[in-house]
Amino acid sequence: NAGVMQNPRHLVRRRGQEARLRCSPMKGHSHVYWYRQLPEEGLKFMVYLQKENIIDESGMPKERFSAEFPKEGPSILRIQQVVRGDSAAYFCASSAWNEQFFGPGTRLTVL
Amino acid sequence: DQQVKQNSPSLSVQEGRISILNCDYTNSMFDYFLWYKKYPAEGPTFLISISSIKDKNEDGRFTVFLNKSAKHLSLHIVPSQPGDSAVYFCAASAGPGSSNTGKLIFGQGTTLQVKP
Repeated sequence: NAGVMQNPRHLVRRRGQEARLRCSPMKGHSHVYWYRQLPEEGLKFMVYLQKENIIDESGMPKERFSAEFPKEGPSILRIQQVVRGDSAAYFCASSAWNEQFFGPGTRLTVL
Repeated sequence: DQQVKQNSPSLSVQEGRISILNCDYTNSMFDYFLWYKKYPAEGPTFLISISSIKDKNEDGRFTVFLNKSAKHLSLHIVPSQPGDSAVYFCAASAGPGSSNTGKLIFGQGTTLQVKP
């Protein structure tokens, strides 16, 4: 039973490029959450999705960031026109009920 | 506004002794609390959780205590082992019917070092 999968594990982008982060939830989980961890900080909630629906995006920056969880395929977190401040570890979690299980994360570095 | 706080950035204990990690919260709507362990370059690993209807939950060497009146929870690890050395995050969520929609609010983390 595979856990939460995230790819790529490491992503390097230059300022102004786009970053796409993918997350495949655990089998049987229909809830997906994205969190961001900046250096020396805890994880901060970004967005909560169910299939084809954004349930809570209160933690998403107003511009450049978007997320989707299509009927088929992984959840995608998309960052347009990346800036150096976007450099962070981005974690996806999935759940069936209360416990959220995390993927290994994608470490985004913006040059 | 830090709703979940872990005031000790680090803790060092001797192997075999008890490790106690503390966490405070401010939002009275929180009714579910979790502890995660995190190694560098990995995602958080779920350890143990507790619902607000309980004041204690135990799983092997790990016990979580919840004091709702003080808005405080703690994680006890006994006996501590060198493999327990990691960053420990406390997290909280509010149940259905609130505005939190199950999202987790994390503390800043406490780095535990268990010395052989």
